[in-house]
Amino acid sequence: EPEVTQTPSHQVTQMGQEVILRCVPISNHLYFYWYRQILGQKVEFLVSFYNNEISEKSEIFDDQFSVERPDGSNFTLKIRSTKLEDSAMYFCASGVGGSGYEQYFGPGTRLTVT
Amino acid sequence: GENVEQHPSTLSVQEGDSAVIKCTYSDSASNYFPWYKQELGKGPQLIIDIRSNVGEKKDQRIAVTLNKTAKHFSLHITETQPEDSAVYFCAVDRGSTLGRLYFGRGTQLTVWP
Repeated sequence: EPEVTQTPSHQVTQMGQEVILRCVPISNHLYFYWYRQILGQKVEFLVSFYNNEISEKSEIFDDQFSVERPDGSNFTLKIRSTKLEDSAMYFCASGVGGSGYEQYFGPGTRLTVT
Repeated sequence: GENVEQHPSTLSVQEGDSAVIKCTYSDSASNYFPWYKQELGKGPQLIIDIRSNVGEKKDQRIAVTLNKTAKHFSLHITETQPEDSAVYFCAVDRGSTLGRLYFGRGTQLTVWP
């Protein structure tokens, strides 16, 4: 069964450093998402991406964040200058359609900012 | 935005008993309601979903009911097994955006053998 994959599983970085989180969505999916989950809290939407552009972003997704689909398979989230409060689990998700369609989540990348 | 409330936050049941988790939402335009199961160290796994034109959906031991008038939906697990132990999240899609999901806070379900 196809699944969303993410690398790395755990990333430790120092405050102010740039990080890139990588995702390989399910191959025939056209809609891509990033969510994050701070320890013990609910899963929060960051951004949706369709047709090579951002469809929607939340208030969390400020100028420090960017997303890219550099080739036909990868989908990346970049944080330009990490802050302590960026420490969280970051999940990539993908789906065949947008609103009203199933979203399938990857295993996540645990980002720790020290 | 959408406000999703989920109860209870923890639920302990004996193996074989039923478990029910309830979520309420605020936006009457919301039209898609998935449930996810998250095991320790893993990503959320979609287990069942329901759309606004349906009142109930069942898949083996798992069912979801939706009351659009009252703006709540519930997950029902029958004949629970220890492997059902996990955190369960409800989510809501408001239908006006390209699939943004709003999540509840999660329910830690523990099934005792």
